[in-house]
Amino acid sequence: DAKTTQPNSMESNEEEPVHLPCNHSTISGTDYIHWYRQLPSQGPEYVIHGLTSNVNNRMASLAIAEDRKSSTLILHRATLRDAAVYYCILKTRAIQGAQKLVFGQGTRLTINP
Amino acid sequence: KAGVTQTPRYLIKTRGQQVTLSCSPISGHRSVSWYQQTPGQGLQFLFEYFSETQRNKGNFPGRFSGRQFSNSRSEMNVSTLELGDSALYLCASSASGTGELFFGEGSRLTVL
Repeated sequence: DAKTTQPNSMESNEEEPVHLPCNHSTISGTDYIHWYRQLPSQGPEYVIHGLTSNVNNRMASLAIAEDRKSSTLILHRATLRDAAVYYCILKTRAIQGAQKLVFGQGTRLTINP
Repeated sequence: KAGVTQTPRYLIKTRGQQVTLSCSPISGHRSVSWYQQTPGQGLQFLFEYFSETQRNKGNFPGRFSGRQFSNSRSEMNVSTLELGDSALYLCASSASGTGELFFGEGSRLTVL
């Protein structure tokens, strides 16, 4: 399975942009890049996903490198509620069209007031 | 719209026992997948079910099994529990298995 590599932790200040990097050098052509986050005592929550092009939604933006070997999740204005563990995941297509999530170790994001 | 519901939320078992965890997906979702989360190994994929068929399986021993019913509800079973099975077990549902996953809050299993 293709793996992802993320920094263990990052820190930022409230109302500032945050750039969370992810390396996935062994990504295959059919793997989608997904980002989830997990707040304390909760299950993971979907943030955004993409294949080749940069993506934007109400929560964040996803910038994907041209060679697809890395990506960056961008939180445009961090709030205290964005403090969580962020997972960069390659959604791998397996047999019979099934897909599974291969989680990285995640980045623990701390937001300072 | 109700979210993914997992029961029980907390349970304590002893080594050698077995346990069954239940997951009710979001209405209309046909894909249910299970994950194990531990401090040491992080989040690991267990298996995925779609329309009552197991489509994919992670690298876990045969003691871990699951099934899905015709109403898409799913159960997972762990037999002959070991101390290392202590973990948060998360269930996720999606409409087709190809899109966004919606996770439940998990069932926290402690094995003594």
